[in-house]
Amino acid sequence: DGGITQSPKYLFRKEGQNVTLSCEQNLNHDAMYWYRQDPGQGLRLIYYSQIVNDFQKGDIAEGYSVSREKKESFPLTVTSAQKNPTAFYLCASSTLSSKEQFFGPGTRLTVL
Amino acid sequence: SQQGEEDPQALSIQEGENATMNCSYKTSINNLQWYRQNSGRGLVHLILIRSNEREKHSGRLRVTLDTSKKSSSLLITASRAADTASYFCATRAGNMLTFGGGTRLMVKP
Repeated sequence: DGGITQSPKYLFRKEGQNVTLSCEQNLNHDAMYWYRQDPGQGLRLIYYSQIVNDFQKGDIAEGYSVSREKKESFPLTVTSAQKNPTAFYLCASSTLSSKEQFFGPGTRLTVL
Repeated sequence: SQQGEEDPQALSIQEGENATMNCSYKTSINNLQWYRQNSGRGLVHLILIRSNEREKHSGRLRVTLDTSKKSSSLLITASRAADTASYFCATRAGNMLTFGGGTRLMVKP
């Protein structure tokens, strides 16, 4: 069953804590992306990676960090420096040649 | 900043009617894509139109692109209640997609 998975589906965090959101894909895609979506809004790019051990900042990278140690995995850490982290986080992947991105089901993060 | 802006922000129609959503963007693009998002879910790719194409069809979907006006439209014909979702345009320039704010479509049975 090929696809892109995200966990957990829901995540609650206390202020001041770092949390890591998981994103895994078995589509053999080279590129992976993290987006943030606020209620009633579009997606904003946080980070993306086109190759293992390399990644680039998107439009709203401040307060977030990523790693790409394996092709299949692209975890996102929301740090305490992110002042307004409550949002819906979406991970996506694509081949380098494909114009289409495939999305995971999302993680809803709530800061208590 | 968002490259694409959808219009209208929300649209409510009766089942069987057609739904038209528009997208405007600001800079040159390689292609424009439309995605669908059901509430609380990930996005699903619907259709892609290249910058040198003017119209494309896929089932009940019809997409047009006017690069001189930097705009695109998505037409869903003979809508169904199951078409209720948010629809986003995304423009590609280089390696990244930039998404608009979306149109929330409600199709009433």
